This record gives sequence, structure tokens and C-alpha cells, in this order.
Amino acid sequence: GAVVSQHPSWVICKSGTSVKIECRSLDFQATTMFWYRQFPKQSLMLMATSNEGSKATYEQGVEKDKFLINHASLTLSTLTVTSAHPEDSSFYICSARFDGVGTDTQYFGPGTRLTVL
Amino acid sequence: GQSLEQPSEVTAVEGAIVQINCTYQTSGFYGLSWYQQHDGGAPTFLSYNALDGLEETGRFSSFLSRSDSYGYLLLQELQMKDSASYFCAVSLFSGGYNKLIFGAGTRLAVHP
Repeated sequence: GAVVSQHPSWVICKSGTSVKIECRSLDFQATTMFWYRQFPKQSLMLMATSNEGSKATYEQGVEKDKFLINHASLTLSTLTVTSAHPEDSSFYICSARFDGVGTDTQYFGPGTRLTVL
Repeated sequence: GQSLEQPSEVTAVEGAIVQINCTYQTSGFYGLSWYQQHDGGAPTFLSYNALDGLEETGRFSSFLSRSDSYGYLLLQELQMKDSASYFCAVSLFSGGYNKLIFGAGTRLAVHP
């Protein structure tokens, strides 16, 4: 089946630093990847849609200068949280969209737990 | 705007059948998906309905009625390992892109 990896699985950083999270589709090419944020016991909130070779599309209320997204290849998208603050602490999950006939399936990475001190 | 509603919690016993409903109000809709998420883990895909009717995959079935903006996930022969959160998600074409919008999730607790 389709596998998506994320790295790192967890990270602790100091306030003001930047953190980069990688999302890779391991056995399929994904022209579209998505970044979500999830707080404990809450739903997944779509932050942005990452398209290979073009700028990411951000959802309303998400600061694009704070959450930098780069989709450098058909198998890799990165999310950089710049100048992180404690309120950015959350579970960040990426997904890769599998483009098949009659289906619209996203395969999720295992998530990255970010803690900002 | 977009909205999805599903119950926040459901409790059932092993071996029972549970139905989790999902109603939605969206524009650009073209499909309904269901995902399972265990605590601390990532969501895993369960099923996808683009057309009206029932889709069956083992112990899990999913139903969609586009005219009623309604769907449900049916879990049969419940097992303890089915205790998890279940999210319905609508596939939308919005702003020139396809995307998934998730409901708030239903926490299913299966008891012996």
C-alpha cells in the first residue's frame, strides 16, 4: 500500500527558532500534498495544499510567512515553522493524495509532534 | 461555509454493530471519506463514497446519500481494537484545488 513518511516524529525547540518537517511519499508520486494541524482530542485542520512546482495554497487564517511550504519534488514536501512560539506547539500531519480513477484517497504520514518551550 | 456534523462519542460492546452518522453542508462536494485514528497515531483511510449507495469493506461499510447530504459508517462485529476516533471528511473542489475537510470526529469506545 501507499506509504507516507514524516521526519522528525517529534521535536522540541526553543521559542524563536525555526523547525523544518519533511513529508515523503515512499512508493508513489504525489503532485499534491496537504499539511494539517491537530490539537489534542480535536479534528484535523487543513493548513495548506502543497503542489509540486508551484506555490502552496493556504487556508484562511494560516500565515504563509510563518508556515513556509516547499514542494520540491513529486515525493517531498516540507513545512517550516518559522520563529516558533509556544502556541505553535501541536501535532502536524502531512498527507499525500493518490490520484486514481474513482477514488480520492489521501495517505497520511505518522505526524510530527512539535513542542515549543 | 463548510460544515460537517457527527456525534462526539459512541459507546458499544464487543460483537455489536455501530453506525456513525455524518451530515454535511458544503459547496463543491464530490465525495465522502471515512478515516480512523487511534490516540497518538495518524489517520488511516477506511472508505470513500462518490456515488449514492453502500460500499462494503470487510467489517466496515459506508453509505452516502448525496440528495440528503448524509452518510454513515457502519462497523460490524466490533472488536476492542476498534476503539478509536472516526472522522468523516468531504472531498471538495474549492479555489481551484481538491481538498479534504474533516468533521470533528466521533470517539468510539468498545467495552467487553
